[in-house]
Amino acid sequence: LAKTTQPISMDSYEGQEVNITCSHNNIATNDYITWYQQFPSQGPRFIIQGYKTKVTNEVASLFIPADRKSSTLSLPRVSLSDTAVYYCLVGAGRGTYKYIFGTGTRLKVLA
Amino acid sequence: EAGVTQFPSHSVIEKGQTVTLRCDPISGHDNLYWYRRVMGKEIKFLLHFVKESKQDESGMPNNRFLAERTGGTYSTLKVQPAELEDSGVYFCASSWTSGRQGQETQYFGPGTRLLVL
Repeated sequence: LAKTTQPISMDSYEGQEVNITCSHNNIATNDYITWYQQFPSQGPRFIIQGYKTKVTNEVASLFIPADRKSSTLSLPRVSLSDTAVYYCLVGAGRGTYKYIFGTGTRLKVLA
Repeated sequence: EAGVTQFPSHSVIEKGQTVTLRCDPISGHDNLYWYRRVMGKEIKFLLHFVKESKQDESGMPNNRFLAERTGGTYSTLKVQPAELEDSGVYFCASSWTSGRQGQETQYFGPGTRLLVL
């Protein structure tokens, strides 16, 4: 089954680009990778989803290498309000409808 | 469009009591998922409904947990009897059914915070 790991925490300054990587070694062929942002006392909020190469939307970019064993969420020019926990979510593997959250990365943006 | 809603937002019960959590998915979403995070641990998958059918309940911790989704709309998660280790935050999510399995984007509710004393 897929296992996902992320760095526990990261610090950044306002205006910088932040890259958070999730390792998912056993991702199944058909599974997409989804990233979420979570603030205290709230549910995870969808940021971006991708299958391979690069995906970009109005808030983030997602980079997925050819082997798809990892993915990197890129947040351009972070602000204080981006301080949150970021999670990746992937399917648990072929033959299952189970999903696995990453361990979560606590991002702190400093002024 | 309303998002995923969960009720109650908080619940405090005593060990041995029963608690029922409710999740209302986004209208039209056939897929409904339950997750939970116990103190200090990761968010763990509990189960997945497609309409009223349980597609995968491999994450349910034991037979004290019962999830239902009658009519394929809202879902309930009952814990009976509750134990101390059941304390945590229970999240519900829903998604459309994509033509490609694995592509469904899950949208989460705010969670129910359960404390068992």
